[in-house]
Amino acid sequence: SQTIHQWPATLVQPVGSPLSLECTVEGTSNPNLYWYRQAAGRGLQLLFYSVGIGQISSEVPQNLSASRPQDRQFILSSKKLLLSDSGFYLCAWDVQAGGEQFFGPGTRLTVL
Amino acid sequence: GQNIDQPTEMTATEGAIVQINCTYQTSGFNGLFWYQQHAGEAPTFLSYNVLDGLEEKGRFSSFLSRSKGYSYLLLKELQMKDSASYLCAALFLSGAGSYQLTFGKGTKLSVIP
Repeated sequence: SQTIHQWPATLVQPVGSPLSLECTVEGTSNPNLYWYRQAAGRGLQLLFYSVGIGQISSEVPQNLSASRPQDRQFILSSKKLLLSDSGFYLCAWDVQAGGEQFFGPGTRLTVL
Repeated sequence: GQNIDQPTEMTATEGAIVQINCTYQTSGFNGLFWYQQHAGEAPTFLSYNVLDGLEEKGRFSSFLSRSKGYSYLLLKELQMKDSASYLCAALFLSGAGSYQLTFGKGTKLSVIP
């Protein structure tokens, strides 16, 4: 069966510090991978998606970046965090674009 | 971007029926998902509608009207564990041929005894 992992589960970081969130998927090959952010009172916002190794599409301009070094690994990074980066970060995957997406457990990031 | 509208909060009584509505822009529309999200947890898939009509799955049903840009999620025989946020997400096909899934802000449902 397929599983999706995210770590860390929670993170508290000072403004201006770097960030690295990792997402890995098991039990499937060539998944589409997605990074979402869910801020308080707002809906899920798509940040990045990837259809393959090294292929990243950005939906919203910001100080975040994403990378996909391996087929089932998706990383979200920042060089300098802002207060507005606080939120619940969710990684998701699907096999076919437009199909059901499966979400990881999420990382709750608080920037102070 | 595409606007997905759903009520912010709803309250219903245990054992009752509740209907959560969702409206969306019809241009490029390709299908509609409902997800359930308990506080602090990841969303989990409930239903997917692509054709008009009602899809029933146990206590949960989802309805779609493509011409009206309207969907609803119907929860019957409410249980306390149904207290959660319910996310409406519409799938749109862009002119470039790619899919985009847009989520509403979610409806926080509180089930009371």
